[in-house]
Amino acid sequence: LAKTTQPISMDSYEGQEVNITCSHNNIATNDYITWYQQFPSQGPRFIIQGYKTKVTNEVASLFIPADRKSSTLSLPRVSLSDTAVYYCLVGKRRALTFGSGTRLQVQP
Amino acid sequence: GAVVSQHPSWVICKSGTSVKIECRSLDFQATTMFWYRQFPKQSLMLMATSNEGSKATYEQGVEKDKFLINHASLTLSTLTVTSAHPEDSSFYICSALTGTGDHEQYFGPGTRLTVT
Repeated sequence: LAKTTQPISMDSYEGQEVNITCSHNNIATNDYITWYQQFPSQGPRFIIQGYKTKVTNEVASLFIPADRKSSTLSLPRVSLSDTAVYYCLVGKRRALTFGSGTRLQVQP
Repeated sequence: GAVVSQHPSWVICKSGTSVKIECRSLDFQATTMFWYRQFPKQSLMLMATSNEGSKATYEQGVEKDKFLINHASLTLSTLTVTSAHPEDSSFYICSALTGTGDHEQYFGPGTRLTVT
């Protein structure tokens, strides 16, 4: 299973754009890249998923370079409610290996 | 969107007793479900993969006789913690895959188990 590496923690202020980069050097050809958000005592919540290039939805953008060995989750104009742990995972229709995730703290 | 529920959301049991946690896919059929465990301030750790109509596949280090998993229908998987001990206290989370080519896993809200 592809291993992912993310920063342990990040701090930001309300209204700023936050970019969280994840490396996954051993990603397989068929693997998709998915980002989840988790609040304390809740299950992970799907944010965005992509295979290559750029994906955008109403809450985030996902940038994936051509070699797919990394990906960057971009959260525009974060708010206090975005304080959470963000997980980057790679895989396709199989059990996921969760890394340590990135603990994002948004300050007022 | 696909919704996964868990019941109960929290449970307290005495050491030595057994407790069952249910995971249901509410609006889709789940051929495969996964059970994860999460200790405080830690990441999710996969416990087992549950396929409808077949035996679960357990991860290394997870006792299959202690954590009984049943996936008897396409919408329900259960995890039974037998002879629970305080060290089994944790946050248990299930996820489900749809039967389509969808790559997304849908996670339940989790169940907080406290063993006293």
